[in-house]
Amino acid sequence: DQQVKQNSPSLSVQEGRISILNCDYTNSMFDYFLWYKKYPAEGPTFLISISSIKDKNEDGRFTVFLNKSAKHLSLHIVPSQPGDSAVYFCAASADNDMRFGAGTRLTVKP
Amino acid sequence: NAGVTQTPKFRILKIGQSMTLQCTQDMNHNYMYWYRQDPGMGLKLIYYSVGAGITDKGEVPNGYNVSRSTTEDFPLRLELAAPSQTSVYFCASSYSLGYQPQHFGDGTRLSIL
Repeated sequence: DQQVKQNSPSLSVQEGRISILNCDYTNSMFDYFLWYKKYPAEGPTFLISISSIKDKNEDGRFTVFLNKSAKHLSLHIVPSQPGDSAVYFCAASADNDMRFGAGTRLTVKP
Repeated sequence: NAGVTQTPKFRILKIGQSMTLQCTQDMNHNYMYWYRQDPGMGLKLIYYSVGAGITDKGEVPNGYNVSRSTTEDFPLRLELAAPSQTSVYFCASSYSLGYQPQHFGDGTRLSIL
């Protein structure tokens, strides 16, 4: 039972343009959402999070949007840079349960 | 500033062998976790611990054991390795359960042949 889904395995964008990574969840009890970034041969590193009481959280070039009615969140990266090329995981949690999506591989072309 | 350290980075085991994946953290986090990541899949929780002496099963605990004798260390034991346990294993730690980002180690790539 995949409670957190990232339906796009990969995404390619041009440097300087916007990258939009999407994530859907099924469990309405999830109330805290996170994005992690992962480079090859390294562990995931925390990028940005959002609580269910908000619909937007911004940190520099990264913005996460949450649509609770649609059970959907997205990560926007503007402008995209080649160093942003990595696998991005979304995660959703409630109390002592955290679930991860399968990840989206982002490639930013110079 | 080590964070979460996992050893070894790579290992090949024969079916039926046993081994322990080591994990240590220096952030004084009470909460620690073991995940496995299979190709094309998300991270799946194997076991977690909320403090020294306390462990609990996650989503996929079968075939594994853990112990937590100190705040810093959280080893994962495979007793009878099976091909289905071929995966990348990540250890993580956090301040709280569910509402704080987790800090991950760099993973152990394990192949069972």
